[in-house]
Amino acid sequence: QVQLQESGPGLVKPSQTLSLTCTVSGDSVSSGRNYWTWIRQPAGKGLEWIGRIYTSGVTNYNPSLKSRVTISMDTSKNQFSLKLTSVTAADTAMYYCARDGPGYYFDHWGQGTLVTVSS
Amino acid sequence: QSALTQPASVSGSPGQSITISCTGTSSDVGGHNYVSWYQQHPGKAPKLMIYEVSNRPSGLSNRFSGSKSGNTASLTISGLQAEDEANYYCRSYTSSVAYEVFGGGTKLTVL
Repeated sequence: QVQLQESGPGLVKPSQTLSLTCTVSGDSVSSGRNYWTWIRQPAGKGLEWIGRIYTSGVTNYNPSLKSRVTISMDTSKNQFSLKLTSVTAADTAMYYCARDGPGYYFDHWGQGTLVTVSS
Repeated sequence: QSALTQPASVSGSPGQSITISCTGTSSDVGGHNYVSWYQQHPGKAPKLMIYEVSNRPSGLSNRFSGSKSGNTASLTISGLQAEDEANYYCRSYTSSVAYEVFGGGTKLTVL
């Protein structure tokens, strides 16, 4: 059974870097035909796709965030990570990691982690 | 602004059927069959309900069905139940760009 779990600080100061990790079990981040994805959702709003990393390490990012986002993977720990620099209050959101399969659907999600940007 | 357009809200009474639309373009919804739908209850992670336009994940109720006509995909829920009250999001692969977008979401209210 595939499971994903987000982890990282729940509070980040403005202008600092948000760093989150998604630990995957039941699948390998470095094999198969999956994209490993980060998605966020501000309170009361819709889903926003942040970016993804393929099993080969190739990444794609939301153009609106591209200058501030880096997604990487650690195959030894079966994890992938998100870094978002120069955060502002607008980056306050629930952050989800998800598996995006070869049929372009998110079939497994983490439970989400709330990140608040505040001094 | 979402590239995929959904109605902000729909409602129905228990036992009735409702349909939620997701309108895109020939580059996304109309160009292939990679449309998926997600249900999200308050405080919960989204859950996959439909993939590849009309396929249901194993174990999901057959009250949920998906279809597509031209540039518009649809999610139909039949025999509405109170537990169906949630937000629903569509997602479509887009061939013209290397990133993904969701529909703006539709709040389903069961009256």
